[in-house]
Order: sequence, then structure tokens, then C-alpha cells
Amino acid sequence: KNEVEQSPQNLTAQEGEFITINCSYSVGISALHWLQQHPGGGIVSLFMLSSGKKKHGRLIATINIQEKHSSLHITASHPRDSAVYICAVLDNTDKLIFGTGTRLQVFP
Amino acid sequence: ETGVTQSPTHLIKTRGQQVTLRCSSQSGHNTVSWYQQALGQGPQFIFQYYREEENGRGNFPPRFSGLQFPNYSSELNVNALELDDSALYLCASSLAKGGTQYFGPGTRLLVL
Repeated sequence: KNEVEQSPQNLTAQEGEFITINCSYSVGISALHWLQQHPGGGIVSLFMLSSGKKKHGRLIATINIQEKHSSLHITASHPRDSAVYICAVLDNTDKLIFGTGTRLQVFP
Repeated sequence: ETGVTQSPTHLIKTRGQQVTLRCSSQSGHNTVSWYQQALGQGPQFIFQYYREEENGRGNFPPRFSGLQFPNYSSELNVNALELDDSALYLCASSLAKGGTQYFGPGTRLLVL
């Protein structure tokens, strides 16, 4: 079993839909990252959070430390949101452990 | 643009050869981490360097080695390449060991 699990693995949506991607982890962490990876391979850090909730534009990330669970929400989704979204946790040795990613496709 | 650059962008090698990949960190960042991402998988942690010293290593054999220079740029060296080493290699720099990591665009390595 992977230390970081994401669901779903693949997600398709119509433009405008509300999207949720989930992440569960089984190790002790100091922080959790949500990352976006486009087909070319480049990775962009969307959020780093260790408690509560963060919002940036149409993106919202939440974390529940007690339940070892985080969610990434995208409101009013758009085709340009199509990418792979990766959850990664920073363990207590400062090592980043990645989930396998959620491939999102948003159709017009 | 994260300010982190990697070279080369693509590379083709044959089994048994050696390869050196380079990473230039964002200005002021003293920590660099290297990751291997196989096709369809999430990245796997190779190792991290902090102020020129190795600060943690993942489950990779000793033929994966690294260096961090005084200007905080970094190299990943892989000896005796195997077919399974074909992957996207990503480096990421951060201001501190646990800080937000800024990823480079990656080097895509193909081993034939």
C-alpha cells in the first residue's frame, strides 16, 4: 500500500463543474503539497499547507490532520485546468512522498 | 517560470553508460532535491542536498550520486545505466529544508 493515496486516478468534467480530488496519507507529516503537472512535465506548486484551508483564485485546498486527509477543490472548472494533480506529503525527515496523481480533463 | 533550470532537456543513452544531469536552483535557495518520475507514476525521491551536504536519500542504489556546489547548483550522476532508469528526472529547490519546493522542467532520459 502506498503511503500517499489519491482518488480518483482519472477524472473528466464539463467546463464549469465543481471538482474534488482527494488525498489520504499514512505517515506523519509536517506539511502537505498540492502540485500541478502539465503534459510537458513541468510541476507547479499550488499549495503547501499544514492545517485548515487555503484558497487561491478558483482553487481551494483543505487538510484534516487528525484524519490524515486532504482535498483539492476546483470551482468553475475550465479546459485549461486539465493537468495531472499530485498530492505530496513532507514527512518528518523532510522527504517528499508523492501520490501517483489524478489526471483531470475538462471539456468545453 | 520557477527560476529553476535543468539541462539537458532530453537525453538518450545506452545501457551501461554514465550520465550527468544538471540543475540550477532559484537564487538564494540552499536546498535541492532530486526526483525520478517513471511514465504514469508519481515522482520518487532520490536524495536531497542542503548546503552541499546530502540530507536524506530515498531507495535508490549507490550508482545514483549527487553533488551540490557552493553556488547551490547541483548535479545528479547515474552510473551503469539500466533500461529502467528511463524516466523524467526533476530537481526542486527551496529556501530551507522543509520549505515550498520549486520544480525545474525536468530532464527526460531514455536508456536504450
